[in-house]
Amino acid sequence: SQTIHQWPATLVQPVGSPLSLECTVEGTSNPNLYWYRQAAGRGLQLLFYSVGIGQISSEVPQNLSASRPQDRQFILSSKKLLLSDSGFYLCAWRRPGPTNEKLFFGSGTQLSVL
Amino acid sequence: QKEVEQNSGPLSVPEGAIASLNCTYSDRVSQSFFWYRQYSGKSPELIMSIYSNGDKEDGRFTAQLNKASQYVSLLIRDSQPSDSATYLCAVNMDFGNEKLTFGTGTRLTIIP
Repeated sequence: SQTIHQWPATLVQPVGSPLSLECTVEGTSNPNLYWYRQAAGRGLQLLFYSVGIGQISSEVPQNLSASRPQDRQFILSSKKLLLSDSGFYLCAWRRPGPTNEKLFFGSGTQLSVL
Repeated sequence: QKEVEQNSGPLSVPEGAIASLNCTYSDRVSQSFFWYRQYSGKSPELIMSIYSNGDKEDGRFTAQLNKASQYVSLLIRDSQPSDSATYLCAVNMDFGNEKLTFGTGTRLTIIP
């Protein structure tokens, strides 16, 4: 069976500090990978998605970046965090192909930028 | 801009009653539709998917899709306190698109 791991679960960072969140998927090959952010009281906003190693699509201009150095590894980074980067960050995966493929989420990282 | 809209609630339903959650979407060519349940502080969990017009039942949950009206709903029968959560509607817009667009969610509270 497939599993998705995301860490850390919680993170408190000062403004201007760097960020690195990691996500890995087990039990599948060549998954589509996604980073979402959920701000307090708001919906899920797609930040980045990747359909293969080194292939990153950015949905929202911001001071975040994403990388996919391995097939089942997806990393979200920032060089300098802003207060507005606070939120609940979710990594997700789905099988590539038909649009009816389901999306599965990791356990999330609650990021507080102070 | 392609959108998915939900009433944010909160929606309060007595225990044992039917909870009805609604979602509309803007892109007429949307192909697949999903309902996720999210408990506070947790990640969304897939509970239903539907791809064709009509009803799809799974236990106490029924998803209803009307593509002509661009409307998808979720019914929860015999509501339980454990059903209290935020329910997110997600739509795959654009055939071949690899992305899901989410609504902002409806917060459901089941009153014992």
